[in-house]
Amino acid sequence: QVQLVQSGADVRKPGASVKVFCKASGYTFIDYYMHWVRQAPGQGLEWMGWMNPNGGRTKYAQKFQGRVTMTRDMSINTARMELSSLTSDDTAMYYCTIDVYGGDSFDHWGQGALVTVSS
Amino acid sequence: SSELTQDPAVSVALGQTVRITCQGDSLRSYYASWYQQKPGQAPVVVIYGKNNRPSGIPDRFSGSSSGNTASLTITGAQAEDEADYYCYSRDSSGNHLKVFGTGTKVTVL
Repeated sequence: QVQLVQSGADVRKPGASVKVFCKASGYTFIDYYMHWVRQAPGQGLEWMGWMNPNGGRTKYAQKFQGRVTMTRDMSINTARMELSSLTSDDTAMYYCTIDVYGGDSFDHWGQGALVTVSS
Repeated sequence: SSELTQDPAVSVALGQTVRITCQGDSLRSYYASWYQQKPGQAPVVVIYGKNNRPSGIPDRFSGSSSGNTASLTITGAQAEDEADYYCYSRDSSGNHLKVFGTGTKVTVL
């Protein structure tokens, strides 16, 4: 079955960077774009961008341009999202997610990775 | 600011019908999908495309669209439907960017 398993919680200081990993299994890794979505505590869902594992092309939300990098490691079927210049506003749960049904929606999600930015 | 606007909260009596709306320019051209999120859990898609339910989603959930508004209807709301609901679609720029709605908290009375 399709599974997305994310790396664990992380604590970072303001100004630092964080990497969140998403290991895919149960499907052919290059078949589906990998999207990243975050949710700050008590807030709504926020789409961050996508990465096409087949070639590595990316598209980022304007808000994160210049600060986010989405890549993949084909050898281990893992997507990576790196966010730099962290502030307390980046404290959030970060999810990876894919569209398998082809309905322009997200039908499989990782369990989430909590990133806390604190001095 | 978000390009898909939802009412912050709605309430519905147990067994009654509730409609949640999502407004945005991009909805004139693209379908919305809808997500249910309960506390401490990842979102779950309940409606996608014109009006498609993934396997396991009860048929009391349905979707529709008209003009710049997409709607999610729960017919015969159950206690377990109490959750946050988000719409999602492409943004109005057409540049392969996506956006979530602001979210609606549904309370079942």
